[in-house]
Amino acid sequence: DAGVIQSPRHEVTEMGQEVTLRCKPISGHDYLFWYRQTMMRGLELLIYFNNNVPIDDSGMPEDRFSAKMPNASFSTLKIQPSEPRDSAVYFCASSLRANDYNEQFFGPGTRLTVL
Amino acid sequence: QKEVEQNSGPLSVPEGAIASLNCTYSDRGSQSFFWYRQYSGKSPELIMFIYSNGDKEDGRFTAQLNKASQYVSLLIRDSQPSDSATYLCAVKGGGATNKLIFGTGTLLAVQP
Repeated sequence: DAGVIQSPRHEVTEMGQEVTLRCKPISGHDYLFWYRQTMMRGLELLIYFNNNVPIDDSGMPEDRFSAKMPNASFSTLKIQPSEPRDSAVYFCASSLRANDYNEQFFGPGTRLTVL
Repeated sequence: QKEVEQNSGPLSVPEGAIASLNCTYSDRGSQSFFWYRQYSGKSPELIMFIYSNGDKEDGRFTAQLNKASQYVSLLIRDSQPSDSATYLCAVKGGGATNKLIFGTGTLLAVQP
């Protein structure tokens, strides 16, 4: 398996623009997670899905952020409008099933810079 | 108080020594505990998990859990320069949640 795939790997945009990050989870995994990582705040969970349904979006910082999972093999995280403070590395991760020790597999991340 | 706390480091150890990484957590209902390793510019990868009090060994790595003290640690024996990375402690709460709360990580530098 190719692992979790994310695109783009790098994104540079200007404040106010819409940004869309994409993720393809590992085939057969039924959980998908979106994280954001910054030096100051570390790795933060934004939202996670189970079988394409959002389960916990309490980490989504504000209404400018939205996430969708239209099918089992694709998810998007959208920021509209983007702000400089959104600059971070965004990771997507997937896992096979919910049990106490289930491993989350991370994608390579998207490095977002908002000017 | 942060939910999962780690010393940011850097923790510097000589090659061949034991590296000890520590983590405390605030939620007494937490059930499972994970150590992820993250090389600079890369994504996190799981190296150990533990959910019972005591020690769990896997090769050069030993995870230790003390739920009464809300403390989990990772020992790396015979440290190698290739172990130089940031180590993230993650905690999963009890119940049906599949949510992991991560600490900010400890940077380990193994000096040759």
